[in-house]
Amino acid sequence: AQSVTQLDSQVPVFEEAPVELRCNYSSSVSVYLFWYVQYPNQGLQLLLKYLSGSTLVESINGFEAEFNKSQTSFHLRKPSVHISDTAEYFCAVTLSGNTGKLIFGQGTTLQVKP
Amino acid sequence: ETGVTQSPTHLIKTRGQQVTLRCSSQSGHNTVSWYQQALGQGPQFIFQYYREEENGRGNFPPRFSGLQFPNYSSELNVNALELDDSALYLCASSLAGRSLMGGYTFGSGTRLTVV
Repeated sequence: AQSVTQLDSQVPVFEEAPVELRCNYSSSVSVYLFWYVQYPNQGLQLLLKYLSGSTLVESINGFEAEFNKSQTSFHLRKPSVHISDTAEYFCAVTLSGNTGKLIFGQGTTLQVKP
Repeated sequence: ETGVTQSPTHLIKTRGQQVTLRCSSQSGHNTVSWYQQALGQGPQFIFQYYREEENGRGNFPPRFSGLQFPNYSSELNVNALELDDSALYLCASSLAGRSLMGGYTFGSGTRLTVV
């Protein structure tokens, strides 16, 4: 069975500092990988995704994630965070060829402090 | 884009009661999925509907059921509510095919509390 583990439940960081949110997955078949962000009282928004090709994917607001097949990881990074990045971040996988059912990790709360 | 609208936003029910949660999908989206997000946890897949038929189900008992209508709206019904059903219920719509690539639009959810 597939599963997703987010290794940190909370990550406090100061504004303009770099951050890494860790995600590991387990699957015996090919997967697609995603990061979603959830701001307070809002639904989930797709931040970035890995389907195939380049293992480094980027979002429009400065986040990036790298797919590492050998380590079964898809860590999310940002070189300099803003207060507005404070949110809950979810790593998710779906099986390629599946109906699109998403399997989520437990979530990581990113707390950016001034 | 009209987005995904869920109603009600908050709901309190008594154990043993039945509840219906509603979702209005983004216009043109023929696939809708429902997720349960318990406090402090990631969302868990309940089921997916495509063209008004169930198209995949997670590890949830039969008392969780759904409907999808031709006007892109859908319902999640839960019978015989239990305390553990207390959670945020998320609706996500997509065009078939795009759902595989994470192309979901999520609603803000319905917060259900069972007492």
